[in-house]
Amino acid sequence: KNQVEQSPQSLIILEGKNCTLQCNYTVSPFSNLRWYKQDTGRGPVSLTIMTFSENTKSNGRYTATLDADTKQSSLHITASQLSDSASYICVVTAGYGNKLVFGAGTILRVKS
Amino acid sequence: DTEVTQTPKHLVMGMTNKKSLKCEQHMGHRAMYWYKQKAKKPPELMFVYSYEKLSINESVPSRFSPECPNSSLLNLHLHALQPEDSALYLCASSQGSYGTMMHEQFFGPGTRLTVL
Repeated sequence: KNQVEQSPQSLIILEGKNCTLQCNYTVSPFSNLRWYKQDTGRGPVSLTIMTFSENTKSNGRYTATLDADTKQSSLHITASQLSDSASYICVVTAGYGNKLVFGAGTILRVKS
Repeated sequence: DTEVTQTPKHLVMGMTNKKSLKCEQHMGHRAMYWYKQKAKKPPELMFVYSYEKLSINESVPSRFSPECPNSSLLNLHLHALQPEDSALYLCASSQGSYGTMMHEQFFGPGTRLTVL
């Protein structure tokens, strides 16, 4: 069964600190993996998209990693800001781009 | 223009009403999507249009009726909804090609729907 599991479910950190969010997937065949940031009541915004051959991709203070062998991905946020408070969703594309499998998301709260 | 717009932002309707949600993009994308998202849950795919034809219907009840008048517009017609249909409805678009959902999806801000 295609599944994407994210951890932790929620996280609270102090402004300026780093954090890492995890995503484990059992999706086959794998096409790509994406991380989205979703502010409350808004649509998701793409942070990174990685294919099988990519193991690191950065977007500003966000760095995603992918280990296709262990089927794990992480999203590392550096020097967190209050505006990073949001839900972070891991999404894996299965098959030949005909199926998206969403994780439940990690709710991050950055406090001052 | 790298934006997907949705109207209205908020909608309150009774169970006997008929209303429509609208979505528009001008990025030349040929695939458009409707998602439903309940609070603290990930989006759930409802429909996919590829080159203005319905390609995926995820067993959505007939009280939701999608329409794609042209490559830039996507509507979702609502009729006889239930209170449990209250949710954030998201529209997205992506390049339309083989393996439609392979490509990055750009989401709109959503319409917050409340069914009384």
